[in-house]
Amino acid sequence: DSGVTQTPKHLITATGQRVTLRCSPRSGDLSVYWYQQSLDQGLQFLIQYYNGEERAKGNILERFSAQQFPDLHSELNLSSLELGDSALYFCASSPTTGQNTEAFFGQGTRLTVV
Amino acid sequence: GDSVTQMEGPVTLSEEAFLTINCTYTATGYPSLFWYVQYPGEGLQLLLKATKADDKGSNKGFEATYRKETTSFHLEKGSVQVSDSAVYFCALREGGGFQKLVFGTGTRLLVSP
Repeated sequence: DSGVTQTPKHLITATGQRVTLRCSPRSGDLSVYWYQQSLDQGLQFLIQYYNGEERAKGNILERFSAQQFPDLHSELNLSSLELGDSALYFCASSPTTGQNTEAFFGQGTRLTVV
Repeated sequence: GDSVTQMEGPVTLSEEAFLTINCTYTATGYPSLFWYVQYPGEGLQLLLKATKADDKGSNKGFEATYRKETTSFHLEKGSVQVSDSAVYFCALREGGGFQKLVFGTGTRLLVSP
């Protein structure tokens, strides 16, 4: 158990809908990362937050947004969903953002868009 | 930009065979290098890391050496077990500021008894 909790574990929704994925980082970790894992594109970095502030952005679509709350949990909002958004979404956390810092991953949320 | 290239899988081995999974990287600076493992139905977990040239990371019988001259970080294990069957990801993180982990595409390892 990494200490990172993601909910829900599975989500099935229809195209055009909006969903929210939730991540609780390890106790004390200030940094949260979101990754998308799909079969054809591997692990793609979406966005990073540090202590409530957005710090880095990757290949995140405009239909997607995220935030980190004062209690450090984070939410990833996906809207106007398309079939191609079906993937495993991982949250990871780390205590700092240093170069050598290990990131701890949750078990992921599997999103299926039908 | 930074990138990581891993050998295509799946890699299929018999128990007690020698394992090598190749990983090469492209980076603008001097990144730290990581190997993560993903067991079925689970998230990624750190297997080992190396933070500077010629460092060797090791854990659970796995080893990888940071080779700056060849920009490589190949994963090796002398004798694999069925329980090592998983997907292995090579990753790097640059220094300076808020840097993300950049992952390779992953290599699936299948070990048969």
